[in-house]
Amino acid sequence: DAMVIQNPRYQVTQFGKPVTLSCSQTLNHNVMYWYQQKSSQAPKLLFHYYDKDFNNEADTPDNFQSRRPNTSFCFLDIRSPGLGDAAMYLCATSRGGFTPLHFGNGTRLTVT
Amino acid sequence: RKEVEQDPGPFNVPEGATVAFNCTYSNSASQSFFWYRQDCRKEPKLLMSVYSSGNEDGRFTAQLNRASQYISLLIRDSKLSDSATYLCVVNKGNNAGNMLTFGGGTRLMVKP
Repeated sequence: DAMVIQNPRYQVTQFGKPVTLSCSQTLNHNVMYWYQQKSSQAPKLLFHYYDKDFNNEADTPDNFQSRRPNTSFCFLDIRSPGLGDAAMYLCATSRGGFTPLHFGNGTRLTVT
Repeated sequence: RKEVEQDPGPFNVPEGATVAFNCTYSNSASQSFFWYRQDCRKEPKLLMSVYSSGNEDGRFTAQLNRASQYISLLIRDSKLSDSATYLCVVNKGNNAGNMLTFGGGTRLMVKP
């Protein structure tokens, strides 16, 4: 089945230790997104790619970076995780142009 | 004013009841609207897109009121399995089809 896959499901990292979360898709969608969701809050858009065109939200901290080496894969790099970065990280895709989002099952990040 | 606002609830309703949620949005140029359902500690899943003419899918009816800038979701004959958080998603504006913003979600609890 075509889908969005995130790995790992659960990630534990130490304060300040870089961590990378990965997302892959078989939907062949143009747009890939990274959202951060903290407990009892709405998902917050960090950035998105339209093909190779990177779009950063104005309030996304510099600590968060992303790479999209090809259509299928997208990575979220957190350079120096703080305790406040503990959250669920959701990858999503869309065809763009006012179409809905398709989410992966998320990576829950714990920072110790 | 938040870009997308929802009553957080919780809405506690008995099985079989009809319940409705509203979601207001601030950008009059928004073009695409969606309702998502999110279960605890899971990813959001698309429930339905919202079209100008209104649309229905089984027990669920979505409507758009552009003049007052809100969308609504009506659930008839509530089931226990409808208990979840319902998120409305709106794009940021006419030229931002890819920029999708979430409301804070409305929590629904259906009781026996």
